[in-house]
Amino acid sequence: GAVVSQHPSRVICKSGTSVKIECRSLDFQATTMFWYRQFPKKSLMLMATSNEGSKATYEQGVEKDKFLINHASLTLSTLTVTSAHPEDSSFYICSARGGGAGANVLTFGAGSRLTVL
Amino acid sequence: GQNIDQPTEMTATEGAIVQINCTYQTSGFNGLFWYQQHAGEAPTFLSYNVLDGLEEKGRFSSFLSRSKGYSYLLLKELQMKDSASYLCAVREGTGANNLFFGTGTRLTVIP
Repeated sequence: GAVVSQHPSRVICKSGTSVKIECRSLDFQATTMFWYRQFPKKSLMLMATSNEGSKATYEQGVEKDKFLINHASLTLSTLTVTSAHPEDSSFYICSARGGGAGANVLTFGAGSRLTVL
Repeated sequence: GQNIDQPTEMTATEGAIVQINCTYQTSGFNGLFWYQQHAGEAPTFLSYNVLDGLEEKGRFSSFLSRSKGYSYLLLKELQMKDSASYLCAVREGTGANNLFFGTGTRLTVIP
């Protein structure tokens, strides 16, 4: 089956620092990955589409300079929250399509809970 | 754009059957997905419908009516472990990979 690994699962940082979250497709190649954000008891909100070898596509209202996305290889996408502030505290989840789950199914990572103090 | 609507919360009894509805309004519909999400965990794929009708997978079934913009997830023989959020998601456009999620339905199974 398709497995997407996300790291770290939890991170606590001070306001003003930057945090990097990694998303890896372990047993398949993913030219496209997706980053979602989830607030407590709310559903997933698509932040951006990460494209291997090119710039990410951001959804309306998402600051691209705030949430830097790099997709340097077919199995790795990173999300960097720059100059984090308490309002950036959230659950960030990445996903990729393909692998054993099938071409139509998105497989999600386990998520990264960011707490900014 | 998308407008995906689900009930916020539902409660059902262990061993019973529960139906979770989802209505949507979208342009370029290209598939509807149901995911299960336990608190603090990643969503896991349950079912996928692109054509009208019922898809059955064990205790879980999903139905789609494209003309009505309507889907439901049916859970049979409920177990305590089925307590989770159930997310309805719609994919738009040909070649589109991303999903747009509804607000999710928090299901609580009681003894």
